Amino acid sequence: NAGVTQTPKFQVLKTGQSMTLQCAQDMNHEYMSWYRQDPGMGLRLIHYSVGAGITDQGEVPNGYNVSRSTTEDFPLRLLSAAPSQTSVYFCASSRGQRGGETQYFGPGTRLLVL
Amino acid sequence: EDQVTQSPEALRLQEGESSSLNCSYTVSGLRGLFWYRQDPGKGPEFLFTLYSAGEEKEKERLKATLTKKESFLHITAPKPEDSATYLCAVQSYNDMRFGAGTRLTVKP
Repeated sequence: NAGVTQTPKFQVLKTGQSMTLQCAQDMNHEYMSWYRQDPGMGLRLIHYSVGAGITDQGEVPNGYNVSRSTTEDFPLRLLSAAPSQTSVYFCASSRGQRGGETQYFGPGTRLLVL
Repeated sequence: EDQVTQSPEALRLQEGESSSLNCSYTVSGLRGLFWYRQDPGKGPEFLFTLYSAGEEKEKERLKATLTKKESFLHITAPKPEDSATYLCAVQSYNDMRFGAGTRLTVKP
């Protein structure tokens, strides 16, 4: 199993550009989530999904969109990039959400917005 | 609001010098407390899940314990390869919160 995969590994954007960060998992997990990690701060939840067709907002959702058309894929879209979105983005998946299930993380996408 | 605080922010140890990392939390309805290890430039790697006060888990040189207010990650006789950032996270019914992490450096 590849686990959780993310592409690209690194991206540079100009302010106002849009892009999609890709995330896929091959563990048949129902729950998937996106986090951002900034220096000195814990991972913060952006959006999550409890299954195909179902998404919801996390702690810091502004400026990001998600959709979940399949169990395997959970892309994160930046609509109009801003320097404040410079961060490292991690996708994670787990069997469930509310029963203490372990989340498994991807390798991350490093985003720089100029 | 659920909160997680990890201390210290950074810890430098000599090889073989045992120590503990702390994770203090406030949460309404703990579903699980998680410890992860994160190496530079990589995603968090799962270490342990603890579900209730009094529970303990061990893996090689690491031992995690849980009380109603905090968790400790004890590192016994650490080696340089244990150098990493260790993250703590708590899951409640509707939320998952991470601490900022403790950056551990083990010198040979």
